[in-house]
Amino acid sequence: GAVVSQHPSRVICKSGTSVKIECRSLDFQATTMFWYRQFPKQSLMLMATSNEGSKATYEQGVEKDKFLINHASLTLSTLTVTSAHPEDSSFYICSAPRTSGANEQFFGPGTRLTVL
Amino acid sequence: QKEVEQDPGPLSVPEGAIVSLNCTYSNSAFQYFMWYRQYSRKGPELLMYTYSSGNKEDGRFTAQVDKSSKYISLFIRDSQPSDSATYLCAMSGNTGGFKTIFGAGTRLFVKA
Repeated sequence: GAVVSQHPSRVICKSGTSVKIECRSLDFQATTMFWYRQFPKQSLMLMATSNEGSKATYEQGVEKDKFLINHASLTLSTLTVTSAHPEDSSFYICSAPRTSGANEQFFGPGTRLTVL
Repeated sequence: QKEVEQDPGPLSVPEGAIVSLNCTYSNSAFQYFMWYRQYSRKGPELLMYTYSSGNKEDGRFTAQVDKSSKYISLFIRDSQPSDSATYLCAMSGNTGGFKTIFGAGTRLFVKA
């Protein structure tokens, strides 16, 4: 299957700082990537759809000014959590479809964010 | 009512048992059905991908889709302790940006 990587795998930061998470498709190009967050023992909640060369599409209730998404190239999307607070602590996962318009997604290993 | 319903479990079975995991859904537009396996603190891994109704088999795993009942299943034969994980069902409609909706995930424990 396709390979998607994320960096960092784990980050601990102080409240008020910003954290950047990278998502890369390693062996394929992804015009679209998805960002999810997952709280313990809960399912994936789609936050936004990252589109290469254009603005991200955010789900209802997700603050676009707090969760900045940049899809700078066909293999890289970044999610920046700005002015992070303890309630932002979660598991953030990105995914990408293998081909444009495909329904099956390949997920990155996730980034665990802990805000103190 | 959620679009996708999945019993969160936990489901505990002895090694070698046949495991049945299920999801129901309400949106008749869903045509693509996936099962993902997620180990603790890891990203989900695609297990099975099916289109429309029918069965699909891959090794010890069989996925079934019954669109008339809006019901999908994943069967695991000869379950192993290494199968212990959370299993998420997921589904979406036509290609072209239709969102993928995930179930809550069922936690499975296979006891040696």
